[in-house]
Amino acid sequence: GAGVSQSPSNKVTEKGKDVELRCDPISGHTALYWYRQRLGQGLEFLIYFQGNSAPDKSGLPSDRFSAERTGESVSTLTIQRTQQEDSAVYLCASSLGGGPRNSPLHFGNGTRLTVT
Amino acid sequence: QKEVEQNSGPLSVPEGAIASLNCTYSDRGSQSFFWYRQYSGKSPELIMSIYSNGDKEDGRFTAQLNKASQYVSLLIRDSQPSDSATYLCAVSGSGGSNYKLTFGKGTLLTVNP
Repeated sequence: GAGVSQSPSNKVTEKGKDVELRCDPISGHTALYWYRQRLGQGLEFLIYFQGNSAPDKSGLPSDRFSAERTGESVSTLTIQRTQQEDSAVYLCASSLGGGPRNSPLHFGNGTRLTVT
Repeated sequence: QKEVEQNSGPLSVPEGAIASLNCTYSDRGSQSFFWYRQYSGKSPELIMSIYSNGDKEDGRFTAQLNKASQYVSLLIRDSQPSDSATYLCAVSGSGGSNYKLTFGKGTLLTVNP
């Protein structure tokens, strides 16, 4: 079946512009994660959605970042007034829920964001 | 701040050798530990998970866990050029945050033919 799909695969934007990144999880996966990977760095947790529960937004680096998820389907990550330090690969992952011990995370191929 | 530390490498081994990758973590409450492989320009893929002290073997891969020392390792036997990638150690949060993985920066492994 289809894996986690992210779009766009690449995005170049000017500093100060808003961007929206999209993630289509694997069908039936109730858990959805957003991570950020800066060059030479590990994956940095941003936000976690589990079904209809309140999301864990503790990893969002500033109020310029927000994310939404409609039910158990598509999620969008929005970055307002982009800055150069926002340049990174944004990875989405989904799982059946219950934590990674119960169900492994499946990552998408990411969106490479470059802010000029 | 929960941390996961890895040798940044690069680690270079000849084909057929054993590659040893190490990881330490700061959260004593963590119960689940994972190794992901990430090829250049690709997304991470899970290769091993370990939850109990000791060794866990899967083919050419062996994960080792020592919770008292807060140490996780991955051994790759009979290393192949196709094993050349960045290996990410990931540790779950403790308690109610067990869904959250904290990743190390990764160790770049190069296997030379």
